[in-house]
Amino acid sequence: GESVGLHLPTLSVQEGDNSIINCAYSNSASDYFIWYKQESGKGPQFIIDIRSNMDKRQGQRVTVLLNKTVKHLSLQIAATQPGDSAVYFCAEKASGGGADGLTFGKGTHLIIQP
Amino acid sequence: NAGVTQTPKFRVLKTGQSMTLLCAQDMNHEYMYWYRQDPGMGLRLIHYSVGEGTTAKGEVPDGYNVSRLKKQNFLLGLESAAPSQTSVYFCASSSGTGWQETQYFGPGTRLLVL
Repeated sequence: GESVGLHLPTLSVQEGDNSIINCAYSNSASDYFIWYKQESGKGPQFIIDIRSNMDKRQGQRVTVLLNKTVKHLSLQIAATQPGDSAVYFCAEKASGGGADGLTFGKGTHLIIQP
Repeated sequence: NAGVTQTPKFRVLKTGQSMTLLCAQDMNHEYMYWYRQDPGMGLRLIHYSVGEGTTAKGEVPDGYNVSRLKKQNFLLGLESAAPSQTSVYFCASSSGTGWQETQYFGPGTRLLVL
């Protein structure tokens, strides 16, 4: 059959600038959120997570913000580097969800301009 | 620790052929998962396991079978491959303790069904 092209939202930023990647979720019962980074040809790699009783969490050069009112999650990457170029996925888990409870978004392709 | 490993890395099958994908983890995780990733579709759960000897269906289980005979291994089988099963397959594992569900992914297996 005919192959389908990759149609991901794309964010292009200049090297050294800050990047903000957004994710909207629909399940108000979600209480745990994760950001993954996937480089070309590799599996998703855990970046940072946040619980629903928090609105901000910081890691090394990354910050995740959670706005439960509008069901919005964002990943901020400070001083973007060429190695940050990848597809970024958010994932959510509903309260009381079983082992299959993680739902993944479709991803955002971050492109770093030199 | 090797984390999560997958074999093979790449495989070409003809329609109707069968094959088994192997996933192994050395983190003593209880939960293991098989996903497929298609362009623009994100990650979709095929089957999962909450412990040795147990398996359960995910979002897209048709055409696949799984087995978890040992805690560290999770096998995905295609009994009669179809072109629609052309995809990249990822295995993941998690500790499954409490509600924290960080999943750690393998490098993926690229499958092409002709």
